[in-house]
Amino acid sequence: GAGVSQSPRYKVAKRGQDVALRCDPISGHVSLFWYQQALGQGPEFLTYFQNEAQLDKSGLPSDRFFAERPEGSVSTLKIQRTQQEDSAVYLCASSLQASSDTQYFGPGTRLTVL
Amino acid sequence: EDQVTQSPEALRLQEGESSSLNCSYTVSGLRGLFWYRQDPGKGPEFLFTLYSAGEEKEKERLKATLTKKESFLHITAPKPEDSATYLCAVGILTGGGNKLTFGTGTQLKVEL
Repeated sequence: GAGVSQSPRYKVAKRGQDVALRCDPISGHVSLFWYQQALGQGPEFLTYFQNEAQLDKSGLPSDRFFAERPEGSVSTLKIQRTQQEDSAVYLCASSLQASSDTQYFGPGTRLTVL
Repeated sequence: EDQVTQSPEALRLQEGESSSLNCSYTVSGLRGLFWYRQDPGKGPEFLFTLYSAGEEKEKERLKATLTKKESFLHITAPKPEDSATYLCAVGILTGGGNKLTFGTGTQLKVEL
């Protein structure tokens, strides 16, 4: 079956531009996570949704980062006024139930801020 | 503070040369120890979850083990296609879900 998909796969933005990154989780998966992965590092947690409710946003680095999942399926991560330090791969993961531990990751969106 | 440390950072093996990767952790409220494989330009691919000390899981040439403070990923007779970055993560309960804290990974290269 289809896995987690993300778009775009690559995004180049000029400093100060706003960007929107999309995640399509596996159909029927209740939980959705966003992670940020810098070059040569492991992924770092950003935020977590259970259906449409955002239950943990403790990892969002600043108020320029905003995530939503209005209908409990597709999610969008928005970054306003991008800065060079925002350059990273943004990964989305989903799991079947809130209590399910196995997270399945998408291919990621590589964001480069010039 | 929850922390995950992986060693070595990089490992080069000859085909058939078995070895082990280490993941040590300090965390309160552990909800699973996870191993993922990540190929360049791709997202992490799930391998194993371990929940309690003494637990072991196997898949093809890989075997994961867990103690109270660390986990090992044993690779037996590796092949070049096993070359990848191996990530270890601990699960921490959040709002009913399970957020992952990752180590920095071990980059494995298997040569002919």
